[in-house]
Amino acid sequence: DGGITQSPKYLFRKEGQNVTLSCEQNLNHDAMYWYRQDPGQGLRLIYYSQIVNDFQKGDIAEGYSVSREKKESFPLTVTSAQKNPTAFYLCASTPMGIAYGYTFGSGTRLTVV
Amino acid sequence: DQQVKQNSPSLSVQEGRISILNCDYTNSMFDYFLWYKKYPAEGPTFLISISSIKDKNEDGRFTVFLNKSAKHLSLHIVPSQPGDSAVYFCAASGTTNAGKSTFGDGTTLTVKP
Repeated sequence: DGGITQSPKYLFRKEGQNVTLSCEQNLNHDAMYWYRQDPGQGLRLIYYSQIVNDFQKGDIAEGYSVSREKKESFPLTVTSAQKNPTAFYLCASTPMGIAYGYTFGSGTRLTVV
Repeated sequence: DQQVKQNSPSLSVQEGRISILNCDYTNSMFDYFLWYKKYPAEGPTFLISISSIKDKNEDGRFTVFLNKSAKHLSLHIVPSQPGDSAVYFCAASGTTNAGKSTFGDGTTLTVKP
């Protein structure tokens, strides 16, 4: 079955550590996105990529980094510069064009300990 | 400045009755609107969408209405079922913003048996 796989489902980070969240899709979608959700809030865009080896900052990119070396993969690194990283992180993909809804992964819950 | 607003954090309806979820937007450049359903600790799933050239789109029990002059859209669920209990997110996108979607904060729908 086609879909998006996010791993791990739960992740704990110590202060000052960098952590990388994995996102893999086998839908042959061109565009991929990372969103962050905080309790009681909507989804806020961190980074997005429309083609391999190219990506753009979203609304809250500070303290995060991404790469897009393969069409199927779009990992997100939460760096120590991100002051409040505890949140639910969602990866999504879509074919090019706005007429398509996103396919989301099941999310990674990151907690700073 | 929140460009997509869902002013009702929660809604409770009786099984079999109509659920109406509302969404307002401020950016006139949005021309595609989507609704997603989300269960706890899972990624959202795409429900239904509407283009700005239409004022209604129907899919089974779900109908989305768009009032461009009021910058308002609504999702109607008829009849409501207990399995519809979830958080519903409204999202908006535009042809000029690379397929990125801006999300509202969500409305928690509870359908009582």
